[in-house]
Amino acid sequence: DGGITQSPKYLFRKEGQNVTLSCEQNLNHDAMYWYRQDPGQGLRLIYYSQIVNDFQKGDIAEGYSVSREKKESFPLTVTSAQKNPTAFYLCASSILRGGRMQPQHFGDGTRLSIL
Amino acid sequence: AQSVTQLDSQVPVFEEAPVELRCNYSSSVSVYLFWYVQYPNQGLQLLLKYLSGSTLVKSINGFEAEFNKSQTSFHLRKPSVHISDTAEYFCAVSDVINQGGKLIFGQGTELSVKP
Repeated sequence: DGGITQSPKYLFRKEGQNVTLSCEQNLNHDAMYWYRQDPGQGLRLIYYSQIVNDFQKGDIAEGYSVSREKKESFPLTVTSAQKNPTAFYLCASSILRGGRMQPQHFGDGTRLSIL
Repeated sequence: AQSVTQLDSQVPVFEEAPVELRCNYSSSVSVYLFWYVQYPNQGLQLLLKYLSGSTLVKSINGFEAEFNKSQTSFHLRKPSVHISDTAEYFCAVSDVINQGGKLIFGQGTELSVKP
């Protein structure tokens, strides 16, 4: 079945540690996105990528980094500079077709907590 | 800048009663509108979308939403809810001039259906 796979489902970070969240899609979608979800705040965009080897900052990029070396993969690294990383992280993807918006498809998320 | 406001953070309702989840947006350009549903510890699933055409859009499980341009609203309704509709619902907007398919989300409304 086609879809988006996020791993791991749960992740714990120690002080001063960088951690990487995986996101893989087999939908052949052009664009991929990372969101952070906190209770009562909805989803906030961290980074997005429309094409391989290119990505843009979203609204809350500080303390995070990404790469897009393959169309299928868009890993997110939460660096030690992110002082409040505890949240639910969601990856999404969508087709970009001639500038017309297509709905985003979401993975099942990774819950990151501080040890 | 675009923004989305979901006016109710929590909506408790009894089974088989009607429900309306309110969503208002602000944008200086034409928009696409979406409702997503999220069950506990899962990603978001697309419930319905307005891209163009008829302002009344419907989902396969009985939800509907109406795009009202003059009131900048996209309220979600269901005439009779089920226990299984208990979830968090997110309204989202994207401008028609596609900025990489970016979505702006509301804060979410937690629908709780009681027997």
